[in-house]
Amino acid sequence: NAGVTQTPKFQVLKTGQSMTLQCAQDMNHNSMYWYRQDPGMGLRLIYYSASEGTTDKGEVPNGYNVSRLNKREFSLRLESAAPSQTSVYFCASKKDPGLVKETQYFGPGTRLLVL
Amino acid sequence: QQQVKQSPQSLIVQKGGISIINCAYENTAFDYFPWYQQFPGKGPALLIAIRPDVSEKKEGRFTISFNKSAKQFSLHIMDSQPGDSATYFCAASMDTGFQKLVFGTGTRLLVSP
Repeated sequence: NAGVTQTPKFQVLKTGQSMTLQCAQDMNHNSMYWYRQDPGMGLRLIYYSASEGTTDKGEVPNGYNVSRLNKREFSLRLESAAPSQTSVYFCASKKDPGLVKETQYFGPGTRLLVL
Repeated sequence: QQQVKQSPQSLIVQKGGISIINCAYENTAFDYFPWYQQFPGKGPALLIAIRPDVSEKKEGRFTISFNKSAKQFSLHIMDSQPGDSATYFCAASMDTGFQKLVFGTGTRLLVSP
């Protein structure tokens, strides 16, 4: 099993450009998450999907959109990138969204630089 | 009320020493407290977790101490090794329905040989 995979690993964008970060999991998990990690701020939840067909805003959703394409895939889109969106983005998944003890499994991250 | 405050921001410990990282929370509804370990260039991975019905949980060299009345919990790494050098995040969540993890700001630990 590959676990949680993310593409690309690294991306440089100019202000105003758009891009989609891809995430896929092969663990048959129901819930998926997008976080951003910034120095001194820990991990902050952007959007999440409790199950296929549903998405909800997290702590910092402004400037982002998501699509839960199917059970395996959850993408994050930046429509018009801004320098404030320079960050490391992590996707995570969990089998049972209602069971808080269940571990969230994280992908390796996408490092995004917006110039 | 949703914040989890973590300290210190960085920590240097000699090999064989004890590393201690502290977290504090305000929301008394939190009842699940995991710690995540992150190596450079990797995603976080669950290290150990505790529920508030116990005051301590130990897994190998890693121990969580929990003080419900003070709303504080801490990670102790005994006999710290250079391989423990990583960033550690505490987190908290409520155990009802679909709950999201609230993360601390992270502690960068360096264990010197």
